[in-house]
Amino acid sequence: SQQGEEDPQALSIQEGENATMNCSYKTSINNLQWYRQNSGRGLVHLILIRSNEREKHSGRLRVTLDTSKKSSSLLITASRAADTASYFCATGPGPGGSEKLVFGKGTKLTVNP
Amino acid sequence: DAGITQSPRHKVTETGTPVTLRCHQTENHRYMYWYRQDPGHGLRLIHYSYGVKDTDKGEVSDGYSVSRSKTEDFLLTLESATSSQTSVYFCAISGRENIQYFGAGTRLSVL
Repeated sequence: SQQGEEDPQALSIQEGENATMNCSYKTSINNLQWYRQNSGRGLVHLILIRSNEREKHSGRLRVTLDTSKKSSSLLITASRAADTASYFCATGPGPGGSEKLVFGKGTKLTVNP
Repeated sequence: DAGITQSPRHKVTETGTPVTLRCHQTENHRYMYWYRQDPGHGLRLIHYSYGVKDTDKGEVSDGYSVSRSKTEDFLLTLESATSSQTSVYFCAISGRENIQYFGAGTRLSVL
C-alpha cells in the first residue's frame, strides 16, 4: 500500500505563480524526499528533508515537514513553464527498516506560459 | 541518468511469452530496484537487491523474478507475460540516505 499521498492530484497555474503540493504519510520516517518526473522520463531527486528538520530550501524549492501531522509540503516559487512535471514524495525507511522508499501517486503540475 | 542504462527502451510482446528487462549501472551501488508505474497507482516496487545474489520482494512481485549475478546488472523477468503487466518499468539505484537515481524506463506492451 502507498505510504505517501500527494494532494492535489493535479494543479494548473500561470507562470510566475507559486505552486504548493502536499504529502501525507502514515508511519514513522527517517527522511522524506521529493522527486520530479518529466513526461516520459525517469524520476529525478529534488530535495531530502530529515525527520529532525522542519524546513529546507534549495533554489526556488522550499520543503516543510511536520512529523506530528505526518505531512510535508513542497513549494515552488516563481514557477516557470519548465516546472511542468509530476512531483512525487517518497518516504523511508521501508517496512522493517529496509532500504526501500515508498512513493506516493504524485501531483501533476502544469505551468501555463 | 546517473550511470543507469535500461534495455530495451520499448518492447511489444505477446501474452504467455517470457520477457527479460535489463538494468545496468556504472556506479557500483549496492542497492538496485525495479518499479512499475501505472496511471492511478504511481510507482510500485516489484523487487529489489541489496547485493550480488541478494534480492527481496516488493509490493507487487507476483509474476516477476529477478537475478543479480554481478554488482552492475539487475535483471527483471516476466516468466509468462500477461496483459496486466503492460506498464512502464523503471530501474533505480540508491546512494547516501537512500536517495534514488532512476533509469530512463522501459515501456512494455503485452498484447
